[in-house]
Amino acid sequence: KQEVTQIPAALSVPEGENLVLNCSFTDSAIYNLQWFRQDPGKGLTSLLLIQSSQREQTSGRLNASLDKSSGRSTLYIAASQPGDSATYLCAVERQTGANNLFFGTGTRLTVIP
Amino acid sequence: EADIYQTPRYLVIGTGKKITLECSQTMGHDKMYWYQQDPGMELHLIHYSYGVNSTEKGDLSSESTVSRIRTEHFPLTLESARPSHTSQYLCASSVSSYEQYFGPGTRLTVT
Repeated sequence: KQEVTQIPAALSVPEGENLVLNCSFTDSAIYNLQWFRQDPGKGLTSLLLIQSSQREQTSGRLNASLDKSSGRSTLYIAASQPGDSATYLCAVERQTGANNLFFGTGTRLTVIP
Repeated sequence: EADIYQTPRYLVIGTGKKITLECSQTMGHDKMYWYQQDPGMELHLIHYSYGVNSTEKGDLSSESTVSRIRTEHFPLTLESARPSHTSQYLCASSVSSYEQYFGPGTRLTVT
């Protein structure tokens, strides 16, 4: 059974700082890995999707990497802003069955002005 | 921005009532999903569909049922709501192994 772990569970940083969020998964048989952002009481917004054959994806100040063999992904946020404050979720899509996403519990990020 | 909609956004209802949570998408996606998320916990898949007339149960056992009569519509029904059903319900859709798009969610409270 796929298990997804995210550390740290919570992180507070001053505005302008660069930061890294970590995600690990136990089963490397995945189609892709997705990073999401969730604001309190809201749905999920997709940030980046990395296919299993890819090593990284970039969008603006965000860069996500994937090392499938070691079961790890990182989300790098450059020059953090207060508007980045949210919970960041990592999810992997399995290769068999429902193709659904397995989620971690997330990292709650607070960027202090 | 993803074109996937959920109604209602918030629902407070008494025990024993029948409820239907609506989910619709205008992207023509074949796959649709229902996830349940308790506060501070992971999302867990409760139902999914590969297309019209195809529905399956997910990893997390749920007393809810779903139907997929039209591609764009994937409603979830609880025949008799109980306080244990209080949670956030998130609908998503995708094309095969590509990005999943999520709706805004329905926050259900059963009193």
